[in-house]
Amino acid sequence: DVKVTQSSRYLVKRTGEKVFLECVQDMDHENMFWYRQDPGLGLRLIYFSYDVKMKEKGDIPEGYSVSREKKERFSLILESASTNQTSMYLCASSLSEDSNQPQHFGDGTRLSIL
Amino acid sequence: AQSVTQLDSQVPVFEEAPVELRCNYSSSVSVYLFWYVQYPNQGLQLLLKYLSGSTLVESINGFEAEFNKSQTSFHLRKPSVHISDTAEYFCAVSKHQNFGNEKLTFGTGTRLTIIP
Repeated sequence: DVKVTQSSRYLVKRTGEKVFLECVQDMDHENMFWYRQDPGLGLRLIYFSYDVKMKEKGDIPEGYSVSREKKERFSLILESASTNQTSMYLCASSLSEDSNQPQHFGDGTRLSIL
Repeated sequence: AQSVTQLDSQVPVFEEAPVELRCNYSSSVSVYLFWYVQYPNQGLQLLLKYLSGSTLVESINGFEAEFNKSQTSFHLRKPSVHISDTAEYFCAVSKHQNFGNEKLTFGTGTRLTIIP
């Protein structure tokens, strides 16, 4: 079974801090994704990566950056956290370039910015 | 670009009653369709998917969905719900593509609440 592990379930940070959210998958998947989930808005894609050191902007990349130095790890970085970045963050991975492959999700990180 | 509409944000249903969660999509090209389920305090899990072939697809826990190309719909149904089906359900679509960097587009979700 695929396991996607997010380093923290809950995180509280202050405005202006640099925040790192970590995600690791154990099935050698090429693709990895970061979403944020907000009530009434569903999931919105922040960034994704289809190979090591590759990244592409999703629908809402402003205020975020990502890093993928190793295939199994995909980090989301909030350069200077703001209160409007309080949200649930979900990481996902998928097997290959075919768009018919399902995504496998971690349990999420609930981030609060004070 | 494709889009997904889930018109019902919340659906309350009595236990053992049938349920239908609606999903409509728009796309100018062929698509793959997915339903994901999110149980409380968990990430999303794949429930079922339509890739090609038979338009009726089923999950292992009794849900089914039917792809209707003319109505651009992929509604999710279950003939008799259980308390354990309480969750949020997301419909998603991706374009047919075999060369990477294709995204899933999610609907806004439907929260299914089962009433004992």
